[in-house]
Amino acid sequence: GAGVSQSPSNKVTEKGKDVELRCDPISGHTALYWYRQSLGQGLEFLIYFQGNSAPDKSGLPSDRFSAERTGGSVSTLTIQRTQQEDSAVYLCASSLMGQGRYEQYFGPGTRLTVT
Amino acid sequence: EDQVTQSPEALRLQEGESSSLNCSYTVSGLRGLFWYRQDPGKGPEFLFTLYSAGEEKEKERLKATLTKKESFLHITAPKPEDSATYLCAVRSNAGNNRKLIWGLGTSLAVNP
Repeated sequence: GAGVSQSPSNKVTEKGKDVELRCDPISGHTALYWYRQSLGQGLEFLIYFQGNSAPDKSGLPSDRFSAERTGGSVSTLTIQRTQQEDSAVYLCASSLMGQGRYEQYFGPGTRLTVT
Repeated sequence: EDQVTQSPEALRLQEGESSSLNCSYTVSGLRGLFWYRQDPGKGPEFLFTLYSAGEEKEKERLKATLTKKESFLHITAPKPEDSATYLCAVRSNAGNNRKLIWGLGTSLAVNP
């Protein structure tokens, strides 16, 4: 079946501009995660959505970052007034989160470069 | 505090030279340990889930094992295509256990 998809695959933007990154999770997966991965660094948790529950935003690095998940499916991560330190690969993952299945499946990522 | 440590940071093997990667964890109640493979420029690819000490999972040249303190990813007779970064993550009983705690990974290079 179809995996997690993300768009765009690459995004180059100027400092101060806003960007939107999109994630389409695996159909039927109730949980959706956003991570950030900088060169040579580990996965940094950003935000987590589970069904209709309030999202866990504890990993968002500043109020310039926000995310929403519409209809329990597609999610958009928005970064306002981008800074050079925002340059990284942004990864989305989804999980069934139930029936004994808690592993996360990742999309290919969006490489964001802020110039 | 829940923590995951992977070692070594980097490993270089000759084709056919078997070895093991280590994932040590400290969690307040393990509810699953996950292994992933990540190729450059791609998202992590799920390999295995282990739930209890003594459990083993195998896939081709890879075998994952679990004890109460650590997990090993054994690579038997590796091939160049096994070159990748291998990530370990755990799910614990503490707090919001719907998030995984990630290690920094082991970068494996297999030379032909």
